[in-house]
Amino acid sequence: AQTVTQSQPEMSVQEAETVTLSCTYDTSESDYYLFWYKQPPSRQMILVIRQEAYKQQNATENRFSVNFQKAAKSFSLKISDSQLGDAAMYFCAPGVANAGNMLTFGGGTRLMVKP
Amino acid sequence: KAGVTQTPRYLIKTRGQQVTLSCSPISGHRSVSWYQQTPGQGLQFLFEYFSETQRNKGNFPGRFSGRQFSNSRSEMNVSTLELGDSALYLCASSLTTGRINYGYTFGSGTRLTVV
Repeated sequence: AQTVTQSQPEMSVQEAETVTLSCTYDTSESDYYLFWYKQPPSRQMILVIRQEAYKQQNATENRFSVNFQKAAKSFSLKISDSQLGDAAMYFCAPGVANAGNMLTFGGGTRLMVKP
Repeated sequence: KAGVTQTPRYLIKTRGQQVTLSCSPISGHRSVSWYQQTPGQGLQFLFEYFSETQRNKGNFPGRFSGRQFSNSRSEMNVSTLELGDSALYLCASSLTTGRINYGYTFGSGTRLTVV
């Protein structure tokens, strides 16, 4: 079984600044994937970024990047140049390879962006 | 390209009734998963279907069931509704190969209220 901890229930960032959301997980699997999802008030979950655990290089998608520390089982999300539209709940989710697409979600971090 | 379509968007049911929720995945996606989202428990995995077969199942009572049709559309059914079944039910579809987890595309969800 996997457990996922997002230790920051809420975070706030000034528009145009940088913010980092933390996530730690526990898994006994060696081959897995890690995801960050965003859920704005419209409630539709949107994939932000995906990391393959066997790759040492950290994933990047435009203003979004991750700091993946496999040994520490840490997977933080950095948002640069924050925009008002980034305000949402953010969920971290690992998923095991070779086991379908099931993901275990953390409790989420609510990000507020101040103009 | 059409997204994941869930119907209905909102539903109000009475305790003891049953309900059926529908999900049409993205064209070409053969994997469909269902999640329950509540403020107290967060996002919890219900089940995953692939090629009309249940591939994974979460820890929910037998009142929760699902199925997938040959066109990959999926339905989930909840019988003998309880107040605690009030939640946002999210459907997600995914490309899948045996090993690779590409992540989900989510629908907008069905908000079920049991009174």
